[in-house]
Amino acid sequence: GQQLNQSPQSMFIQEGEDVSMNCTSSSIFNTWLWYKQDPGEGPVLLIALYKAGELTSNGRLTAQFGITRKDSFLNISASIPSDVGIYFCAGHQYNFNKFYFGSGTKLNVKP
Amino acid sequence: DTGVSQNPRHKITKRGQNVTFRCDPISEHNRLYWYRQTLGQGPEFLTYFQNEAQLEKSRLLSDRFSAERPKGSFSTLEIQRTEQGDSAMYLCASRRWGQGANEQFFGPGTRLTVL
Repeated sequence: GQQLNQSPQSMFIQEGEDVSMNCTSSSIFNTWLWYKQDPGEGPVLLIALYKAGELTSNGRLTAQFGITRKDSFLNISASIPSDVGIYFCAGHQYNFNKFYFGSGTKLNVKP
Repeated sequence: DTGVSQNPRHKITKRGQNVTFRCDPISEHNRLYWYRQTLGQGPEFLTYFQNEAQLEKSRLLSDRFSAERPKGSFSTLEIQRTEQGDSAMYLCASRRWGQGANEQFFGPGTRLTVL
């Protein structure tokens, strides 16, 4: 299957700091999705991206679809304790009709 | 709540037993996906349905696994003769295919523990 490399694997930050994480692939995707997962729960969709270069915001979250279509970035501004969780990127290709997931970025926010 | 629902949320079973999980997708969604997730990993694709047709199965899905979506609404995933390696979170997701959007929504998952 397709490999999505997500980095960093984990982050420890202070409340109020901004956070950046990214996802890269050797393959081109037509859609990028970003999810947040809390322990014992299913992933919750945060942002969907459909066009190369697209920049989309959802509150304090901003995500970008890389212009090469092989990467995507997620930024969280002014982090708060409830941002704690694991963030996953997912890529979709028309040819394969399914989603491939990164291994996640674990975010820890210190109050 | 009109989100994706899954039952049961937790299942503990002994090795060799059969288990069945249920997923109810968002009502107007024609595509339904099953994933498996182990600790520290992202969801891994198992299989998906378009309406009642099972269109693809991963090589991860051994012969002990079977999934159905008989009326194109809810789906079941059965694991026969469970093994300890089957212990994982089983996630169901759904989406509306064919209208441009590729947004996929997950249920809360079923946590399986095989003793």
